[in-house]
Amino acid sequence: EIVLTQTPLSLPVTPGEPASISCRSSQSLLDPDDGKTYLDWYLQKPGQSPQLLVYTLSYRASGVPDRFSASGSATDFTLKINRVEAEDVGLYYCAQRLRFPYTFGQGTKLEIK
Amino acid sequence: QVQLVESGGGVVQPGASLRLSCAASGFTLFNKYGIHWVRQAPGKGLEWVSFILFEGSNRFYADYAKGRFIISRDNPKRTVYLQMNSLRVEDTAVYYCARGGGPLDHWGRGTLVTVSS
Repeated sequence: EIVLTQTPLSLPVTPGEPASISCRSSQSLLDPDDGKTYLDWYLQKPGQSPQLLVYTLSYRASGVPDRFSASGSATDFTLKINRVEAEDVGLYYCAQRLRFPYTFGQGTKLEIK
Repeated sequence: QVQLVESGGGVVQPGASLRLSCAASGFTLFNKYGIHWVRQAPGKGLEWVSFILFEGSNRFYADYAKGRFIISRDNPKRTVYLQMNSLRVEDTAVYYCARGGGPLDHWGRGTLVTVSS
């Protein structure tokens, strides 16, 4: 099973400031057959279901503001918010879908200072 | 718009069974999409449960679900099911279904399963 480790687990941020969440995988998430890296990011806002933020390493999902960006290598990944807004609070999860069983990171709780 | 609606949750005793349903609407070609089940125990993170491909011929399970849970689908009814048997206290969670095949791009609101004596 591929293990994803997120840091930090708690992230207090002042509105307007940047934020960054890291995710490390126990195995490469690069598929050598198609050259794609199957790492996604989800946000679960308080009281809501998770929503897709970023897929396949760095592609923003439909409707996701461009203040969100994501990057990484085969095993180390980063989600960045260049200016945090109040609506960004919630739990952020990285997830891999290279192989079954799909796995999620533990989640990072972003809160406003 | 895409909608996934879970139902079938409830309170059961250890060892009991439940069947969850996930009804899909708002998009065409339902039979071309895979569907996942993901769960979230109270105050905990997301945990993948199971996945079924288009016609149901390919199914995948988390280790803890193998031998106890069965995923199936009825494409004319646009519904995916999760039959959960031999339920344990640790299966207590909100169970979400999500449209997949690629990333999990749409999620339902979830249905709560509580296993307690």
